Amino acid sequence: DSGVTQTPKHLITATGQRVTLRCSPRSGDLSVYWYQQSLDQGLQFLIQYYNGEERAKGNILERFSAQQFPDLHSELNLSSLELGDSALYFCASSGGVFTSTDTQYFGPGTRLTVL
Amino acid sequence: GESVGLHLPTLSVQEGDNSIINCAYSNSASDYFIWYKQESGKGPQFIIDIRSNMDKRQGQRVTVLLNKTVKHLSLQIAATQPGDSAVYFCAERPPHTGTASKLTFGTGTRLQVTL
Repeated sequence: DSGVTQTPKHLITATGQRVTLRCSPRSGDLSVYWYQQSLDQGLQFLIQYYNGEERAKGNILERFSAQQFPDLHSELNLSSLELGDSALYFCASSGGVFTSTDTQYFGPGTRLTVL
Repeated sequence: GESVGLHLPTLSVQEGDNSIINCAYSNSASDYFIWYKQESGKGPQFIIDIRSNMDKRQGQRVTVLLNKTVKHLSLQIAATQPGDSAVYFCAERPPHTGTASKLTFGTGTRLQVTL
């Protein structure tokens, strides 16, 4: 168990809908990262937040957005969903005050299926 | 993006033998590298990391070797066990500033341990 939690575990929805994925980082970690894993694209970095502020951005679509709240949990919002958005979405955290700022620990993921 | 899933390279090893999984990374300026293990239906699990100022790092039953000249990373698993069966990913961290950070994942390798 990495200490990173994600909900829900599975999500099935229809095209055009909007969903929210939630992530709670390891206790003390200040950074949260979101990744997408699909069969034909591997693990792709989406976005990073550090202590509530966006720090790095990857190949995140404009239809997707994220935020990190004062209690450090994060949400990834996916809107106008398309079939191609079906994937595993992982959250990772790092950067605790008393631990390495480098190692990212991953949660169990949310499997999104768009029908 | 890289291809995973059905197109993953596979390494088949007998139980008790040593395994060597290779990875070519892309950015010669990357300063930090990580190996992750991903079992079916689970999130990537941290195995071992190495910084660019090192050539070798050992953990429990695992060793990571870094060859910056040819941008090559390898993971050696000693006395491979059935529980080592999984997909293994290497990841590199490109140059970053401050608290901004992201990982770029390589194409995974599926390790199959035969009895």
